[in-house]
Amino acid sequence: EPEVTQTPSHQVTQMGQEVILRCVPISNHLYFYWYRQILGQKVEFLVSFYNNEISEKSEIFDDQFSVERPDGSNFTLKIRSTKLEDSAMYFCASRAGPGEGETQYFGPGTRLLVL
Amino acid sequence: AQSVTQPDIHITVSEGASLELRCNYSYGATPYLFWYVQSPGQGLQLLLKYFSGDTLVQGIKGFEAEFKRSQSSFNLRKPSVHWSDAAEYFCAGFATDSWGKLQFGAGTQVVVTP
Repeated sequence: EPEVTQTPSHQVTQMGQEVILRCVPISNHLYFYWYRQILGQKVEFLVSFYNNEISEKSEIFDDQFSVERPDGSNFTLKIRSTKLEDSAMYFCASRAGPGEGETQYFGPGTRLLVL
Repeated sequence: AQSVTQPDIHITVSEGASLELRCNYSYGATPYLFWYVQSPGQGLQLLLKYFSGDTLVQGIKGFEAEFKRSQSSFNLRKPSVHWSDAAEYFCAGFATDSWGKLQFGAGTQVVVTP
């Protein structure tokens, strides 16, 4: 069964460093998402991406964050200058589209620790 | 404001007993609704979903959920829990006229005792 994959599974970085989190969505899906879950808290929406542009973003998704689909298969989240409060599990998700394609399938997550 | 609420943070249930997890939603129109399960250190696995039609939906692992428009609820049930059902359960929804921004409840931690 197709699945969303994410790399790396864990990343430790120093405050102020740039990190890139990578995701490979399910191949025929058209909508892509990033969510994060700070330890012990609920899952929060960051951004949605469709047709090579951001369709919606949350207040969390400020100028330090960016997303890209560089090659038609990968979907990346970049944090330019990490802060301690960026430590969280980051989930990528994708869905096919309208109708029965409304289901979002999640990757296993990348646990980011900012020191 | 649109939201999904799970009133129970933590539930303890005996193995073999029934389980019901509560979820309430607040949207202008009926949203798409989902239940996901997360085992420790793992990702989010879809249990079941409601889009429209039959208000009782069946999912994987023996779970079902009932959509009740009058109560703005989408409660998850399982008749007989197994030790492997110990996990955190998230209710989530998104507005049908949105780009699919999922809003999650705070989650319910389920502990299964022998």
